[in-house]
Amino acid sequence: EPEVTQTPSHQVTQMGQEVILRCVPISNHLYFYWYRQILGQKVEFLVSFYNNEISEKSEIFDDQFSVERPDGSNFTLKIRSTKLEDSAMYFCASSGQGARTDTQYFGPGTRLTVL
Amino acid sequence: GIQVEQSPPDLILQEGANSTLRCNFSDSVNNLQWFHQNPWGQLINLFYIPSGTKQNGRLSATTVATERYSLLYISSSQTTDSGVYFCAVVENTDKLIFGTGTRLQVFP
Repeated sequence: EPEVTQTPSHQVTQMGQEVILRCVPISNHLYFYWYRQILGQKVEFLVSFYNNEISEKSEIFDDQFSVERPDGSNFTLKIRSTKLEDSAMYFCASSGQGARTDTQYFGPGTRLTVL
Repeated sequence: GIQVEQSPPDLILQEGANSTLRCNFSDSVNNLQWFHQNPWGQLINLFYIPSGTKQNGRLSATTVATERYSLLYISSSQTTDSGVYFCAVVENTDKLIFGTGTRLQVFP
């Protein structure tokens, strides 16, 4: 069964450093998402991406965050200058027809630790 | 915005017991999904169920959209069922809004 993959599984970085989290969505999917989960809390939406542009973003997704689909298979989340409060599990998801009418499939997550 | 509440927040069961988890949402939704977050943090899709009833092995789910709730049934629970169960809904935008979760612990 096709699945969403994410790398790395765990990233440790120093405060102020840039990090790039990578995702390979399911190959025929068109809608891509990033979510995050701070330890012990619920999962929160960050951004959705369709047709090579952001379709929606949350208040969390400020100027420090950016997303990119650099080629036909990868989808990346960049945090320019990490803060302690960015420590969380980051999930990538994809769907074929958009969240309103289709299942979102989640990757295994990248655990980001900011020291 | 829409509120998604789950109950109970915590549930402790002995292996073999049955359980019902509930998800209430405050407004109409276009989509509802149930997930199991395992102890390694992975989110596993259980059901895509904006309305009606579905079954998959020992798990089944029912969504009554007009009354704004969904139920997840786990029968003959096993220790591998332990983890956190989330429901998540889609309102009028293209994002999932997650509930507060139910933490399930199944003991042998």
